[in-house]
Amino acid sequence: DVKVTQSSRYLVKRTGEKVFLECVQDMDHENMFWYRQDPGLGLRLIYFSYDVKMKEKGDIPEGYSVSREKKERFSLILESASTNQTSMYLCASRVGLSGNTIYFGEGSWLTVV
Amino acid sequence: AQSVTQLDSQVPVFEEAPVELRCNYSSSVSVYLFWYVQYPNQGLQLLLKYLSGSTLVKSINGFEAEFNKSQTSFHLRKPSVHISDTAEYFCAVRANSGNTPLVFGKGTRLSVIA
Repeated sequence: DVKVTQSSRYLVKRTGEKVFLECVQDMDHENMFWYRQDPGLGLRLIYFSYDVKMKEKGDIPEGYSVSREKKERFSLILESASTNQTSMYLCASRVGLSGNTIYFGEGSWLTVV
Repeated sequence: AQSVTQLDSQVPVFEEAPVELRCNYSSSVSVYLFWYVQYPNQGLQLLLKYLSGSTLVKSINGFEAEFNKSQTSFHLRKPSVHISDTAEYFCAVRANSGNTPLVFGKGTRLSVIA
């Protein structure tokens, strides 16, 4: 089975802190994604990566950046956390061009106080 | 670009009753369509998908969805629901070529009442 692991399930951070959310997949997938999930808004794409060192902005990239130095790892960075970034963050991965199914991690609940 | 509209944010239904969760999409190119399910405090799991071929696709736990190109719809149905089906259901779409990401609807919360 594909496994997508998000390093932290629950985090509480202070406003202005730099926050790192880590995601690792074990299936050599080329594509990786970060989504944000909020009640009534569904999943919104923050950033995605086609391959190592490649990244593309999604629908809501403001206030976020990403890093993909190795194929299996995709990090989401909140440069200066704000309370409106309190949310559930979901990482996902997929085989590249031929891939149809994306696989999700369990999610990271981030609270910014 | 693609977009997805899930017409109902919440659907309460009694156990053993049938249910339909509605999904409409918009796209200028051919698409793949998906339904994902999220149980409480968990990530999303693929329920079923339409890629090509037969327009009726089925999951192992009794759900089915039909791709209707003329109506641009991909509604999810189950003839008899169980308490364990209580979850949030997301419809998603992507273009059927290129490294395009999935675009999700806002979700439908299905609550099965005993």
